[in-house]
Amino acid sequence: EAEVAQSPRYKITEKSQAVAFWCDPISGHATLYWYRQILGQGPELLVQFQDESVVDDSQLPKDRFSAERLKGVDSTLKIQPAELGDSAMYLCASSLVGQGYEQYFGPGTRLTVT
Amino acid sequence: RKEVEQDPGPFNVPEGATVAFNCTYSNSASQSFFWYRQDCRKEPKLLMSVYSSGNEDGRFTAQLNRASQYISLLIRDSKLSDSATYLCVVNKGNTPLVFGKGTRLSVIA
Repeated sequence: EAEVAQSPRYKITEKSQAVAFWCDPISGHATLYWYRQILGQGPELLVQFQDESVVDDSQLPKDRFSAERLKGVDSTLKIQPAELGDSAMYLCASSLVGQGYEQYFGPGTRLTVT
Repeated sequence: RKEVEQDPGPFNVPEGATVAFNCTYSNSASQSFFWYRQDCRKEPKLLMSVYSSGNEDGRFTAQLNRASQYISLLIRDSKLSDSATYLCVVNKGNTPLVFGKGTRLSVIA
């Protein structure tokens, strides 16, 4: 069964450092999402791509976060500089087309900022 | 009012029990509804979509009440393996999915 791949699975970094997360969606899925999930909360969308284009990044803290999907396949989410409040699970998901289709999530990257 | 609200639980039920979760949503124009399951420290996985006519998948039944703007999930004959957090998810058209905070279920032997 095809899966969404993410790496690293765990990341510990000091505040003010830069971190990057990688996601490879299910082959053929045009839509890719990055979510942040704080413990005890539901996932919150950070950015959505349709192929290589950003569809929605209204909740992305653009002063420190950036995301790209240059070839419309895999994607990178970067935080620079990391802050203590960024500690969370960062989930990548993909779907065939658009929001109405079910989303498949990767295993996530658990970030701890010290 | 939050867009999607769920009772966080936890719901502690014995094996074999029937348990029901409700979820309310604020946007009357919402079109798509889902229940996702999330195990501890794992990613969410789609449990079932919720259709206007209601739908059933084995021990799980989902229902939608558009007039009252809530969806429900019923689990019959609970198993230990049903222990997880159940996320209610709503969206309107091409807007982002909105996840509830989740309801935690613990099935006890």
